[in-house]
Amino acid sequence: AQKVTQAQTEISVVEKEDVTLDCVYETRDTTYYLFWYKQPPSGELVFLIRRNSFDEQNEISGRYSWNFQKSTSSFNFTITASQVVDSAVYFCALREMTGRRALTFGSGTRLQVQP
Amino acid sequence: EPEVTQTPSHQVTQMGQEVILRCVPISNHLYFYWYRQILGQKVEFLVSFYNNEISEKSEIFDDQFSVERPDGSNFTLKIRSTKLEDSAMYFCASTGQAGEQYFGPGTRLTVT
Repeated sequence: AQKVTQAQTEISVVEKEDVTLDCVYETRDTTYYLFWYKQPPSGELVFLIRRNSFDEQNEISGRYSWNFQKSTSSFNFTITASQVVDSAVYFCALREMTGRRALTFGSGTRLQVQP
Repeated sequence: EPEVTQTPSHQVTQMGQEVILRCVPISNHLYFYWYRQILGQKVEFLVSFYNNEISEKSEIFDDQFSVERPDGSNFTLKIRSTKLEDSAMYFCASTGQAGEQYFGPGTRLTVT
């Protein structure tokens, strides 16, 4: 069965620090998608990135970058030069292609960025 | 930019009452989902819907729950007889061809 683990429950950093959020997943599928979502205090789920299992290239989008390592089943998310507006809960999620098509979420990491 | 919408944003109901949560998915999407998030916990899958029928459901989605697409745009979740433990944020989502799941803003359900 699929599973997503986000071992860091809460992280607190000071503005301008870099921070990495860890995500480890389990799946029997050879084809799957990985996602990151941001949930700000207002409660909505904001899509950040989708990565498919065939594409192990790291991705950078502004201050955000993602490191996908299939060998360790990890899909980590780094925020460079964090800002107060980055404060939110961040969820990693997995979607299998042949198994469950719905998303399986991790338990989330609460990031607090202090000014 | 197209978005998933949900109404109401907050619903308060008494235990034992029926509630209907409404969603309008993105218009050209084909798969629709309901998830719930109990306060402070992770987002959990409830049910997926494709081609006018349930394609998958979780163990949470028992006989108290039902879904419907009554017309070409709305997608509803009904809870027949609410319990205190149904209090949660309920998210609707839809998926397009490229596979991204876009979530609505959620409906906060409070059962008293």
